[in-house]
Amino acid sequence: NAGVTQTPKFQVLKTGQSMTLQCAQDMNHNSMYWYRQDPGMGLRLIYYSASEGTTDKGEVPNGYNVSRLNKREFSLRLESAAPSQTSVYFCASQAFFRTGLYEQYFGPGTRLTVT
Amino acid sequence: DAKTTQPNSMESNEEEPVHLPCNHSTISGTDYIHWYRQLPSQGPEYVIHGLTSNVNNRMASLAIAEDRKSSTLILHRATLRDAAVYYCILLHGNKLVFGAGTILRVKS
Repeated sequence: NAGVTQTPKFQVLKTGQSMTLQCAQDMNHNSMYWYRQDPGMGLRLIYYSASEGTTDKGEVPNGYNVSRLNKREFSLRLESAAPSQTSVYFCASQAFFRTGLYEQYFGPGTRLTVT
Repeated sequence: DAKTTQPNSMESNEEEPVHLPCNHSTISGTDYIHWYRQLPSQGPEYVIHGLTSNVNNRMASLAIAEDRKSSTLILHRATLRDAAVYYCILLHGNKLVFGAGTILRVKS
């Protein structure tokens, strides 16, 4: 199992450019998440998808759109990048167990710089 | 979302136990306590979780106060590879809400 994969690993954009961050998981999980992490801070939830065909806003959705393409893939799009979106972006998928465990598996992250 | 409070940083010597505290005085009866850690330049990884009873797994132990207003993550023998940011998270619903966490430094 590859787990959660993300592409690209690094990206530099100019202000106003657009791009899509790709995420895929091979664990057959229903739920997938996009977070951003700014230096010295914890992760903040941008969007999540509880199941295929559904998406919901998280804490910081402005400036982003998402697509749950199928059960495996969940992409994050920046339509017009701004310097404030310089961050590390993590994708995660979640397994739920009746014991109350919501174990999220994280990808390696995409380091995005907007100049 | 219920909040957690953790020290900004802690330091430990290699091979010694480490006790990482977390306060969660507003915890509700159905909130599970989860711990994740984030190694340098990696995504977070699950460590342990619990509801009321103390829990052990291969990575750590979780001690939960009787009133559930605090908990402690215990690493029994810290190694250099345990240097990371440790997050204490209350899970209510299906979203994890990360705080700033505790930076654990391990000295050789």
